Amino acid sequence: GAGVSQSPRYKVAKRGQDVALRCDPISGHVSLFWYQQALGQGPEFLTYFQNEAQLDKSGLPSDRFFAERPEGSVSTLKIQRTQQEDSAVYLCASSSVAGEEETQYFGPGTRLLVL
Amino acid sequence: AQTVTQSQPEMSVQEAETVTLSCTYDTSESDYYLFWYKQPPSRQMILVIRQEAYKQQNATENRFSVNFQKAAKSFSLKISDSQLGDAAMYFCAWDNYGQNFVFGPGTRLSVLP
Repeated sequence: GAGVSQSPRYKVAKRGQDVALRCDPISGHVSLFWYQQALGQGPEFLTYFQNEAQLDKSGLPSDRFFAERPEGSVSTLKIQRTQQEDSAVYLCASSSVAGEEETQYFGPGTRLLVL
Repeated sequence: AQTVTQSQPEMSVQEAETVTLSCTYDTSESDYYLFWYKQPPSRQMILVIRQEAYKQQNATENRFSVNFQKAAKSFSLKISDSQLGDAAMYFCAWDNYGQNFVFGPGTRLSVLP
């Protein structure tokens, strides 16, 4: 089956603009994660869903960041009133919570540039 | 809080040679998973190898193997017979059963022909 997909792949936004980033996880995967990866650094956890429930949002940097997964499959990460420091690659990953299988499968990321 | 450290920002290896990438972590948990992920330039992150903390046997995946030292909280990756396609950023990661995935800062590996 298809892997994790993300759209758009690239997004340029003017400071103050709202953006929405989409993630399509692997079909049937229960868990979904969002990460922020600054240039030259490792991914940093933003938030985690199990089905439609957002179980952990401790990594969201401010209340301008909001994520949802209303039907337990596709997820959207929304950033309101974007700032230049929001420029990064946003990675989505999914995993199937099934016994020992905890491997996360990553999407290609959305590269956000805020001017 | 869990932390993952990769002390080598950059490494290089000659093609066909062997290289070892270091990773240490800090946790008070006893059960967890450890991973090595590879991120080629401008391409998505892919899993290289994973290790369950309760297993004493080191994981092996073709040319990739790990040296897992639980007491020392060390998890190094050995790449044998290095190939040009192995050039990438390598991230070590810690996970507590899908609840708290933590990545290290990465090691950039160059493979010299």
